[in-house]
Amino acid sequence: QKEVEQNSGPLSVPEGAIASLNCTYSDRGSQSFFWYRQYSGKSPELIMSIYSNGDKEDGRFTAQLNKASQYVSLLIRDSQPSDSATYLCAVKRETSGSRLTFGEGTQLTVNP
Amino acid sequence: ETGVTQTPRHLVMGMTNKKSLKCEQHLGHNAMYWYKQSAKKPLELMFVYNFKEQTENNSVPSRFSPECPNSSHLFLHLHTLQPEDSALYLCASSRDGQGGYGYTFGSGTRLTVV
Repeated sequence: QKEVEQNSGPLSVPEGAIASLNCTYSDRGSQSFFWYRQYSGKSPELIMSIYSNGDKEDGRFTAQLNKASQYVSLLIRDSQPSDSATYLCAVKRETSGSRLTFGEGTQLTVNP
Repeated sequence: ETGVTQTPRHLVMGMTNKKSLKCEQHLGHNAMYWYKQSAKKPLELMFVYNFKEQTENNSVPSRFSPECPNSSHLFLHLHTLQPEDSALYLCASSRDGQGGYGYTFGSGTRLTVV
């Protein structure tokens, strides 16, 4: 079982729709959860962090965490073509020091 | 300069060459990292430095040699690489050695080994 698993996609949504990106993790002791956005040929950029169960909203982005189900998601409302990128889920485990474990990423395309 | 700066942006080297990648962070962070990103694979942690001391080496081959002279600078020295080492090499920094606030990545070095 992969430590951090994401739907590989690609995921395609029309402009203005809600894009839903999902991530599951294997270590129940994981503490901190991050979503990074990576445009083609660029480096990852941190867009959301979440540490406790529930929802966290920042503009058009909402991160959702359910530790019991070992599940974290990212919702993008009113999707724009500029949101087209690969989204990486990253998890910090309690026993991993400063190491973040990344999923393979989900490629999102928002069609005008 | 702000953020995390990596040089060079692109590097082509032969298998017998020696080259170095440089990373500098201007964020006052205390931890720095080297990651490797290959196509269709997750980001792979290579090395971790906390307060310029190496705290993790993720079983990286000795042809990759890191150096961290201070908390703001990180180098990756390369020698006798293999074509499969071609990848995007990313430097990152974090506020503390626990990674709890996430990382800030540099723009990366696209390495091609010929």
